[in-house]
Amino acid sequence: DAKTTQPTSMDCAEGRAANLPCNHSTISGNEYVYWYRQIHSQGPQYIIHGLKNNETNEMASLIITEDRKSSTLILPHATLRDTAVYYCIVRTNFGNEKLTFGTGTRLTIIP
Amino acid sequence: ETGVTQTPRHLVMGMTNKKSLKCEQHLGHNAMYWYKQSAKKPLELMFVYSLEERVENNSVPSRFSPECPNSSHLFLHLHTLQPEDSALYLCASSQEGGWNTEAFFGQGTRLTVV
Repeated sequence: DAKTTQPTSMDCAEGRAANLPCNHSTISGNEYVYWYRQIHSQGPQYIIHGLKNNETNEMASLIITEDRKSSTLILPHATLRDTAVYYCIVRTNFGNEKLTFGTGTRLTIIP
Repeated sequence: ETGVTQTPRHLVMGMTNKKSLKCEQHLGHNAMYWYKQSAKKPLELMFVYSLEERVENNSVPSRFSPECPNSSHLFLHLHTLQPEDSALYLCASSQEGGWNTEAFFGQGTRLTVV
């Protein structure tokens, strides 16, 4: 059972904001939204996570809708190094719930 | 550098060989993971260790044998593998509980079984 759905691929022009959507309509009250990315042939890299408030860090911003059924990861000024597969994952922060990766969104930054 | 180091980075082994993959984390985390990533497939969780106890084993064949001697080290022992086991094997660690439970991944071991 996939907890999240993401577009298979997206393109974004270099220097523009990249907005990556994620649907998680069955998210429960104690589940967080996590975003990771994987640059080709490297291990996944944590980007950001949130519960219900919008979050921002040095890498990205996370916008979560009020009903928490969807979210958007925003890379404000995309560079060529942001080309990667981006994974949206929902999980609790309790116990040892496994971190399950789907197929993600392949983001290509166009020069 | 993520604080999670995997060795070797590349490994070629025959089907009758025995080898081990090593993972070490310098982050003080209490959980460690092995993932497998085959070509054009999502990451598959293989094993989870929390406080050195195995808490997850996702129907992985017995030719893969994990070992977690302490909270900083994780091994994956390999024997009599098949060519379809060729993949990128990734180790990760995290601190479970609380807000900061993000996982940190190593660079992976690219395994080729011949």
